[in-house]
Amino acid sequence: ETGVTQSPTHLIKTRGQQVTLRCSSQSGHNTVSWYQQALGQGPQFIFQYYREEENGRGNFPPRFSGLQFPNYSSELNVNALELDDSALYLCASSSLAGKDTQYFGPGTRLTVL
Amino acid sequence: DAKTTQPPSMDCAEGRAANLPCNHSTISGNEYVYWYRQIHSQGPQYIIHGLKNNETNEMASLIITEDRKSSTLILPHATLRDTAVYYCIVKDNYGQNFVFGPGTRLSVLP
Repeated sequence: ETGVTQSPTHLIKTRGQQVTLRCSSQSGHNTVSWYQQALGQGPQFIFQYYREEENGRGNFPPRFSGLQFPNYSSELNVNALELDDSALYLCASSSLAGKDTQYFGPGTRLTVL
Repeated sequence: DAKTTQPPSMDCAEGRAANLPCNHSTISGNEYVYWYRQIHSQGPQYIIHGLKNNETNEMASLIITEDRKSSTLILPHATLRDTAVYYCIVKDNYGQNFVFGPGTRLSVLP
């Protein structure tokens, strides 16, 4: 157990809808990173939040956005869902703006129909 | 792109040591070697990391060659619960994120 929690566990949406995924970081960690993992592939970096500011972004369009709250928990929002957004969404918490070991949560499985 | 190369799959007999290789020939001096594993549809689990010296913890040992161009993760007594995809990643202390490759699918056989 890493102490990183994510909700919901599973989610089904239809194309065009919007979704919000949530992550609570491990105690003492001020950084949350989000990853997308398509079936059969390794996780791909979406973005990172450090002290409530975006601190780096991967190759994802602007319809992927996020927030980090004062307690360092975080949200990932995806607008205008597409079928290819179906994936396991992982958050990882760490300290030092992600420069050290990242500890992953169990993930949220999103299915877009 | 991932800076590591791993075999796509390996088998290991239960109770034997599992030795998972990783090539990282372009590793730079300040990059660490990290190992994670992912059991089906769960989040990746941190195993171990190192810079130059060999490392050991309660889960595994990490052997890094002297030129740092390759490493081996050793699970000393593999169990069925060690069946997972194992990812070898290089990352420095300035990079914000891990770049995952396809990893090695380890099957521990009874």
